Amino acid sequence: DAMVIQNPRYQVTQFGKPVTLSCSQTLNHNVMYWYQQKSSQAPKLLFHYYDKDFNNEADTPDNFQSRRPNTSFCFLDIRSPGLGDAAMYLCATSGGNLGEQFFGPGTRLTVL
Amino acid sequence: KQEVTQIPAALSVPEGENLVLNCSFTDSAIYNLQWFRQDPGKGLTSLLLIQSSQREQTSGRLNASLDKSSGRSTLYIAASQPGDSATYLCAVITQGAQKLVFGQGTRLTINP
Repeated sequence: DAMVIQNPRYQVTQFGKPVTLSCSQTLNHNVMYWYQQKSSQAPKLLFHYYDKDFNNEADTPDNFQSRRPNTSFCFLDIRSPGLGDAAMYLCATSGGNLGEQFFGPGTRLTVL
Repeated sequence: KQEVTQIPAALSVPEGENLVLNCSFTDSAIYNLQWFRQDPGKGLTSLLLIQSSQREQTSGRLNASLDKSSGRSTLYIAASQPGDSATYLCAVITQGAQKLVFGQGTRLTINP
């Protein structure tokens, strides 16, 4: 089945220790998104790629960066995680002309 | 700036009831609208996409309606089951950048 896959599902890191979250997709969609979701809140868009074009949201901290080496994969790098970065990180993809987004299962990040 | 509101924030009903979840948005110039379901600790599952030119969209026991001029969408769930318990999120897909603007969600509990 075509899908969006996120690894790992759970990630524990230490304060200030860089961490990378991974997303892959078999949908062959040209747009990939990263969202941050904190408890009982709606997902917040961090950035997205339209093909190789990177689009950063104005309020995304510099601590968050992303790479998209090819159509299938996208990575979220958190350079120096703080306690406030503990959250669920969701990857999504979109293709076609309807704007519909498809989400992965998420990575729960814990910062100790 | 588009704002999306979902009322109520939480809803608890007995099994078997038909129910309606409400979503309102401030700017009627939407591209499309998407309804999601989110189980605790999981990613978002797309339930229905309703295009801006449509009045309603159906999938199984779910029916979504859209009234763009009044800035409202509803999600109707027929014959509710305990497995329907989850948080339901409404998201407007904006024109142009086709970003999702989320409501805060309705946490639904179906009691056996």
